[in-house]
Amino acid sequence: ETGVTQTPRHLVMGMTNKKSLKCEQHLGHNAMYWYKQSAKKPLELMFVYSLEERVENNSVPSRFSPECPNSSHLFLHLHTLQPEDSALYLCASSQLNSVLFFGEGSRLTVL
Amino acid sequence: DQQVKQNSPSLSVQEGRISILNCDYTNSMFDYFLWYKKYPAEGPTFLISISSIKDKNEDGRFTVFLNKSAKHLSLHIVPSQPGDSAVYFCAARLQGSARQLTFGSGTQLTVLP
Repeated sequence: ETGVTQTPRHLVMGMTNKKSLKCEQHLGHNAMYWYKQSAKKPLELMFVYSLEERVENNSVPSRFSPECPNSSHLFLHLHTLQPEDSALYLCASSQLNSVLFFGEGSRLTVL
Repeated sequence: DQQVKQNSPSLSVQEGRISILNCDYTNSMFDYFLWYKKYPAEGPTFLISISSIKDKNEDGRFTVFLNKSAKHLSLHIVPSQPGDSAVYFCAARLQGSARQLTFGSGTQLTVLP
């Protein structure tokens, strides 16, 4: 069992669909993150959830909405996405001031 | 405007030789730097880090050097092995920010047998 598990690993959706990405961490960390990795671009922080704060990258469109029901689970709800949203979405977790542990990612393709 | 830049998208080296991956940053408020390695179909994994109060950190075959005046850091891998072939991401953390990392765009390292 890996420390950070993401499902599904691959997702293909149309622009009118609603889907969700799920992330679960088994490391006892107190913060979880969503990152977006597009080809040849830096990893882009989308959201951070921790006990102290929720951080949102203001450039993330509202068609992405995160949900963090507890410290072990994180969701990314997707609706009315665009083809340019196709990317690898990476979930990560950490303790305060510690390194990030990433999941294997969810490869999203928007048709 | 990228605050962390990896200007070489790819690098090839022979097995046994040294690999040097470079990273430049623009924000002098970064105080902690990390390198992550990513294999295909896997998430990035932490490799090595360095605090801004140091100029070198070594862990086995991996050494990270930090030149604050030049706002430059580098990762040295010696000797390079075929299993080191991966994408390497440089990342930086802002002083006072416990959570937010800024990543570079990555360098694909290929170690040739």
